[in-house]
Amino acid sequence: DQQVKQNSPSLSVQEGRISILNCDYTNSMFDYFLWYKKYPAEGPTFLISISSIKDKNEDGRFTVFLNKSAKHLSLHIVPSQPGDSAVYFCAASEEGTYKYIFGTGTRLKVLA
Amino acid sequence: EAQVTQNPRYLITVTGKKLTVTCSQNMNHEYMSWYRQDPGLGLRQIYYSMNVEVTDKGDVPEGYKVSRKEKRNFPLILESPSPNQTSLYFCASIGGAGSPLHFGNGTRLTVT
Repeated sequence: DQQVKQNSPSLSVQEGRISILNCDYTNSMFDYFLWYKKYPAEGPTFLISISSIKDKNEDGRFTVFLNKSAKHLSLHIVPSQPGDSAVYFCAASEEGTYKYIFGTGTRLKVLA
Repeated sequence: EAQVTQNPRYLITVTGKKLTVTCSQNMNHEYMSWYRQDPGLGLRQIYYSMNVEVTDKGDVPEGYKVSRKEKRNFPLILESPSPNQTSLYFCASIGGAGSPLHFGNGTRLTVT
């Protein structure tokens, strides 16, 4: 049972435009959500997170939105750059636990 | 520099030949974990450790062993590797609940 789902395996976006990556979850106990970026031959690196008490968190070009009622979060990258081309994983956990459930990843390609 | 170090980066072995993948972190983190990444399945947790001498199974523990004799080290042991353990493995550590995981650069294992 996939508790965290990324239904788009891949996404292509033109440089300078907005990239929107989506993630859905089923466990209503999840209250901490993260996005990781992964380049080939490297480990995933933390990008941005959000807790369930917020519905939006921004960090430069990256914004994460959380819709708790829909059990949905999204990552917006504006403007997209070729260096953003990578695989993006969303992850979720319950408060006070160290257990992180990851989605299957979305490969983003930003075209120059 | 704060980091999680895995060795080796690449490993090709034959069925049944015992192997160990090492993992070390220099951040004094209590919690460490092993994940495997497979196409279409994302990152799945194999084992985790809350502290020295405290380990527990993750979601896909079959065929793996771990040990945690020191805080900084968390080796992954495959006593009798099989081809279905061909995968990309990541070690990770975390400073506390509600914090991001820090990943190593991965070990690509091929079992023939």
